[in-house]
Amino acid sequence: EAGVTQFPSHSVIEKGQTVTLRCDPISGHDNLYWYRRVMGKEIKFLLHFVKESKQDESGMPNNRFLAERTGGTYSTLKVQPAELEDSGVYFCASSQAGLANVLTFGAGSRLTVL
Amino acid sequence: GEDVEQSLFLSVREGDSSVINCTYTDSSSTYLYWYKQEPGAGLQLLTYIFSNMDMKQDQRLTVLLNKKDKHLSLRIADTQTGDSAIYFCAERRTGFQKLVFGTGTRLLVSP
Repeated sequence: EAGVTQFPSHSVIEKGQTVTLRCDPISGHDNLYWYRRVMGKEIKFLLHFVKESKQDESGMPNNRFLAERTGGTYSTLKVQPAELEDSGVYFCASSQAGLANVLTFGAGSRLTVL
Repeated sequence: GEDVEQSLFLSVREGDSSVINCTYTDSSSTYLYWYKQEPGAGLQLLTYIFSNMDMKQDQRLTVLLNKKDKHLSLRIADTQTGDSAIYFCAERRTGFQKLVFGTGTRLLVSP
């Protein structure tokens, strides 16, 4: 079975530009999560989709971040306009409904804002 | 609060045992997890424990949970150089699907 796929693996942009990160979860996984790790700190929750609906977006830092999950399949996370403090690694994870919520993570998208 | 705390760094010699510690704050945690991140890779689930268990063993890995002290540990027996990575503990709280992670412990295994 294919794992969680994230694209791009690394993006370097200038402050004020826009970046869109994409996540393809494991097929059949209703739950999709976005997390972020800023340099050396803990991995912080951003939001949780169940199918196409946002179940919990309490971790989204501000309105410069927009996450979508069209048709309950892949998800995108757009940052517009990007700021320096947005730099970090953005992880996507997915899980099946009803289990001990074992999350399978992607390799992450590293974002560097200059 | 949200804090899940881990020591930042651990160095051991190949063949020794490693013990990575984690403290969490929420007594309502239902599941606790250990994830491993190797350089350039995503987070790989190593093991998890349900909160009504005290211990779980899986080959070289032993997880101990002290609910009273809100303390979780991961013991790796016969540590190998391939075990060098960052280890994250995480908790899942009652009523929530999201996981709350610690800062990660970087394990360095020297030959």
